[in-house]
Order: sequence, then C-alpha cells, then structure tokens
Amino acid sequence: DAMVIQNPRYQVTQFGKPVTLSCSQTLNHNVMYWYQQKSSQAPKLLFHYYDKDFNNEADTPDNFQSRRPNTSFCFLDIRSPGLGDAAMYLCATSRDFRGAFGNQPQHFGDGTRLSIL
Amino acid sequence: TQLLEQSPQFLSIQEGENLTVYCNSSSVFSSLQWYRQEPGEGPVLLVTVVTGGEVKKLKRLTFQFGDARKDSSLHITAAQPGDTGLYLCAGARNQGGKLIFGQGTELSVKP
Repeated sequence: DAMVIQNPRYQVTQFGKPVTLSCSQTLNHNVMYWYQQKSSQAPKLLFHYYDKDFNNEADTPDNFQSRRPNTSFCFLDIRSPGLGDAAMYLCATSRDFRGAFGNQPQHFGDGTRLSIL
Repeated sequence: TQLLEQSPQFLSIQEGENLTVYCNSSSVFSSLQWYRQEPGEGPVLLVTVVTGGEVKKLKRLTFQFGDARKDSSLHITAAQPGDTGLYLCAGARNQGGKLIFGQGTELSVKP
C-alpha cells in the first residue's frame, strides 16, 4: 500500500550529538512536512517542502534543518539535540495545496520517538 | 496565538456514553479536517468538511461544520473503547493552505 514511512521508529541520542530522522513516501505527493509533537499535544509544524522549495516556520530553532534530495525522501537533521528536543517527530505529505486552498488531507507517518540521554 | 480552540482537552467516559468535542475559532477556514491519533502512531484523517453547515457521518461519528465556517463539532454516539485516542481538528486558510491544528482532545473510553 502507498504510505509514509518513517525510520527509525525509536531513536536514542546523546545530548549534543547530531541525529538524522528519515521519511519516505510512495504517494508521489509534492508537499512534505515535519512536525514536532510532545505528549498529548497537537503537532507543531517545523517546516515544509513544496517540491524543492523549503519553507521554515518563524519559530523553528536553527538547530533543526531539513533536506529533500528527491520527491520520495525527506530528512530532519537536529544538529545539537537538547533535552527539550525529546519528542515524537511526524512526517506528513499532501498534494499541491496552493491551488486547492488547503483542502487536501495530510497523510502522516507513524513518527519517530526521539529520546535524549 | 491559538487560532483553533478545542474543548474539552481531556474526556474520560464509560462505554456506551455519548460525547461531543468542539473546535472553535474567530477566524474563517476554507475547510476543516478531523484526525484521530492512537498512542505510538501518526494522526489518521477521519473527515474533511468544506461547506458551511455541512454534516458528515462516519458510522457512530457525526461531524458538523458551522454555518460561518469558524467552528466544528464531533459527536460520538455510544462510545466504545476502540474510540480511545487523541482527536485533532485542523483548519486550512485560503492563504497558503497550511493546516492549523487545535490542541487536541484526549478521549478515554473505559469498558
């Protein structure tokens, strides 16, 4: 089945040690999103790619970076993780939203739960 | 600024009870989506409502979009333990189209 796949499901890293989370999709959607979600809270958008165009949210820390080498893959890099970065990280995709005014649903992966030691 | 207010934030009920979750805003949305998220998984889309006053039913779940497209509600009839999860409403604005999420409603249905 077409889907959004996140690897790994669980990631443990040390304080300050760079970590990369990955997301792949078989939906051929042109928009990909990264969200941070803390326990029982709403997902918080970090940034999104519209095709190759990168769009950062104003309050996303510089510590968070992203790469999208092709349509199918997107990576979240955390350069120097702090204890406050422990969270679930969700990747999502959607079709072109600029023409459809956001009516397109987002398809989420099952997330990567990041722990910081 | 929290543009979408969900209430209640937490709800614990017995199997068989009915419940309603509300999603309110002072802003107009072009559409509103409802998601359910189970522990350890990503959110899954339940429904999208687009037209003011629209009502959609999904088995025991009834979704309504307000006439002015500023609010929405989710009503569950005869809740079951399998309905347990985090319910998220998310609105789309005409400009840009990014989803704005409410803070979620954590529902627990006890057998």
